[in-house]
Amino acid sequence: AQSVTQLGSHVSVSEGALVLLRCNYSSSVPPYLFWYVQYPNQGLQLLLKYTTGATLVKGINGFEAEFKKSETSFHLTKPSAHMSDAAEYFCAVIRRDTGRRALTFGSGTRLQVQP
Amino acid sequence: GAGVSQTPSNKVTEKGKYVELRCDPISGHTALYWYRQSLGQGPEFLIYFQGTGAADDSGLPNDRFFAVRPEGSVSTLKIQRTERGDSAVYLCASSLGTSGGNEQFFGPGTRLTVL
Repeated sequence: AQSVTQLGSHVSVSEGALVLLRCNYSSSVPPYLFWYVQYPNQGLQLLLKYTTGATLVKGINGFEAEFKKSETSFHLTKPSAHMSDAAEYFCAVIRRDTGRRALTFGSGTRLQVQP
Repeated sequence: GAGVSQTPSNKVTEKGKYVELRCDPISGHTALYWYRQSLGQGPEFLIYFQGTGAADDSGLPNDRFFAVRPEGSVSTLKIQRTERGDSAVYLCASSLGTSGGNEQFFGPGTRLTVL
């Protein structure tokens, strides 16, 4: 069963505009939550993660995400898009209630930034 | 410091052949993961090692796939009797310890093409 869903396989924004990439999880126990970025022909790089504590998490390159338990969401945002943000973004989870340590990834969202 | 490295970066083989893919994790990382990423999809978990032993191999698709980590560092993913459907990017990741909140650091991947 799919435990993480990313709405929108492609998102296009103008340079300087707000970036919003959506992620929802489906487990009853909130999992560990991650956002990874993948640039063309490169490996995955961690942007940010939520494990415990403050629900608003700040990451690298000006990105942040907010864990909302009531909405089972962990959406990624950036106030002002830059051309260099064009990449594939993956939301991923590790469930807390199974003991497994494997990441389960969403299907990804490709972000395009228009000049 | 050095990140996760994977060799070869590209591998082209013929259907039915045997292939080995190598992963060198970050020094000191006890956990090592293999994932497979098909075109246009998020990575899918294959197997996870804690030290020398496979702690979770539930993602291996069938018995043609096997992985080892004999000394607790370098790992080799072995695929027998390759099929065209095995074509994908094979990603390796490593992490410190076994907490679900630990960051998994990814290598650049090996692109396997089965003709």
